[in-house]
Amino acid sequence: DGGITQSPKYLFRKEGQNVTLSCEQNLNHDAMYWYRQDPGQGLRLIYYSQIVNDFQKGDIAEGYSVSREKKESFPLTVTSAQKNPTAFYLCASSKDTGELFFGEGSRLTVL
Amino acid sequence: GQQVMQIPQYQHVQEGEDFTTYCNSSTTLSNIQWYKQRPGGHPVFLIQLVKSGEVKKQKRLTFQFGEAKKNSSLHITATQTTDVGTYFCAGGVDSSYKLIFGSGTRLLVRP
Repeated sequence: DGGITQSPKYLFRKEGQNVTLSCEQNLNHDAMYWYRQDPGQGLRLIYYSQIVNDFQKGDIAEGYSVSREKKESFPLTVTSAQKNPTAFYLCASSKDTGELFFGEGSRLTVL
Repeated sequence: GQQVMQIPQYQHVQEGEDFTTYCNSSTTLSNIQWYKQRPGGHPVFLIQLVKSGEVKKQKRLTFQFGEAKKNSSLHITATQTTDVGTYFCAGGVDSSYKLIFGSGTRLLVRP
């Protein structure tokens, strides 16, 4: 079935460590996104990519990095520079400026 | 910066009562989308509105886009326990792929 796969579902990190969250889609969508969700809050855009080898900063890009080497893949690295990384991370894709298809999310906890 | 405000933050209703959530944008939107997130789940697309004054219905759900394309509402008639979740609006600006999410309205339904 077509969809978006995020891994891992749960991740624990020690302070000072970088971690990479995986996002793969087989929907043949050009655009991919990373959002962060904190308890009781909406979704905040970290990075987005409209096409392979190109990506744009969202509203809260500091402390994060991404790459878009393949159309299907858009991994997110949470670096040690991110001061408060504990959150629920959601990856999404879209065909154009319409409907976003979300993955099931990755819950990151910093110990 | 661009913001989308959403109210109320919470709504607790008796099953069978109606429910409405409202979104207001600080800028004119090109389109507005609505998503539903069940507890512990990921956002799922409900609808997209693009025209000024547009009204769309999905069974018991009615979506409106304001004349000025700065506000929107979602109304649920005769709520059911299956309606439980958080409802988010998300506004698009110009032809950008970037969506600005509201903070969401959490709906709780008493059986």
